[in-house]
Amino acid sequence: GAGVSQSPRYKVAKRGQDVALRCDPISGHVSLFWYQQALGQGPEFLTYFQNEAQLDKSGLPSDRFFAERPEGSVSTLKIQRTQQEDSAVYLCASSPPGLAGILFGPGTRLLVL
Amino acid sequence: GIQVEQSPPDLILQEGANSTLRCNFSDSVNNLQWFHQNPWGQLINLFYIPSGTKQNGRLSATTVATERYSLLYISSSQTTDSGVYFCGAGGTSYGKLTFGQGTILTVHP
Repeated sequence: GAGVSQSPRYKVAKRGQDVALRCDPISGHVSLFWYQQALGQGPEFLTYFQNEAQLDKSGLPSDRFFAERPEGSVSTLKIQRTQQEDSAVYLCASSPPGLAGILFGPGTRLLVL
Repeated sequence: GIQVEQSPPDLILQEGANSTLRCNFSDSVNNLQWFHQNPWGQLINLFYIPSGTKQNGRLSATTVATERYSLLYISSSQTTDSGVYFCGAGGTSYGKLTFGQGTILTVHP
C-alpha cells in the first residue's frame, strides 16, 4: 500500500499566521510521530501518538504548537502565530505497535517570512 | 536524554569504494535505526538494529549495545548512495528516537 503522506508539501506563511500540517500514516500503524528538521540538522522529536492518545509531547517547543489525532489515523500539527524560527521541515512517521522500524513521510517544508 | 554522535561528518568516495559510518550513543538503548536521506529530502529506513548484525544487499549494520555504538557498512558504493545518513537511538517502549547530526556521503562516478 501507500506510504506515509503529508500535505501540503510546501507552505509559506507570514509571521503571525496560523498553519495546519496534515499527516496520513500507513493504514494499521498505531504509532505516529512528528519530528522537526532544521536545515543541516538531524530530525528532532516533537510528539508521539498511540492511536488517538498523545502519550508524549515533550518535544513541542512552545504552547504555540499543538497536535491531534482524533480518530487514531490522520494527524494534524498546528502552529499558531508562526515565527521565523519555526521555518523547518516537519516530518511525520508511523510504525506498527511496539518497537519497530519507523517510516517517514516526505515532509512539509514550512517557510515563515 | 540520550546523546548521539555520528562520524565522520563528511565522506567523499569514488564509485566502487567501501565505507564505514559510526554512531555512538550515550546511554543504553533498546532501539537503534539507520536512515538514508536522499537529495530530495526523503528519509528511508535502512535498518532497525537494536543489537546484532543485519545485511541488505550492499549495506550491512552492526550494533554493539553493551559498548554503545553502531556501524553502517556500505560496500561497492554507487552514486545513488549519496545523501545524508542518520542514526537514531532510543530507550523508550514506544520508539521515540534521538538523531545524530548525520554523515554527508558523496560518491563520485
